[in-house]
Amino acid sequence: AQKITQTQPGMFVQEKEAVTLDCTYDTSDPSYGLFWYKQPSSGEMIFLIYQGSYDQQNATEGRYSLNFQKARKSANLVISASQLGDSAMYFCAMRDDWRDDKIIFGKGTRLHILP
Amino acid sequence: GAVVSQHPSRVICKSGTSVKIECRSLDFQATTMFWYRQFPKQSLMLMATSNEGSKATYEQGVEKDKFLINHASLTLSTLTVTSAHPEDSSFYICSASKTGEAYTIYFGEGSWLTVV
Repeated sequence: AQKITQTQPGMFVQEKEAVTLDCTYDTSDPSYGLFWYKQPSSGEMIFLIYQGSYDQQNATEGRYSLNFQKARKSANLVISASQLGDSAMYFCAMRDDWRDDKIIFGKGTRLHILP
Repeated sequence: GAVVSQHPSRVICKSGTSVKIECRSLDFQATTMFWYRQFPKQSLMLMATSNEGSKATYEQGVEKDKFLINHASLTLSTLTVTSAHPEDSSFYICSASKTGEAYTIYFGEGSWLTVV
């Protein structure tokens, strides 16, 4: 069965510092996709970054990068130079390409950026 | 870019009544849409997969008779919470993806349901 684990319920980080949000996953399928979403208090789900299981390089999108360690089944999100606006809930999610298009989410990490 | 629109964004209904939430893909066709439920400070839990032209596929533990899903067209899926009770109060959010775009999942803005 698929499973996403985020072990950090909450984090406090000083503004301008880098932050790493942990995510591990479990799947028996060789083809899958990993996502990170940001959810501010308004509730909208903001797509941040995607990593495919066959991608050779770690995904990067601006200040966001995904530290993909396939053997360890880990897909940590790294936010460089954090900003006050980064304060939000962050979800790691996985999509199993061999089945339907549904994705499952981890429990999330609440990130607080301190001024 | 592609947009998924959800309506209403907030709704308050009386206990025992039914409420319908719409999820529309505005500029693309979505053969499959997904409905999630999120309680405060918790994660998104997949409720069901909405398939255009066929019955929805519900996740284990989700009452199909209570959460009616209809996907009558390639751009619209609806979730109806029937005989709503206060414990149904939650944030409901839908998602859809474009055919052929494996990594693109578009979410609606979500709907806050409060049953009083």
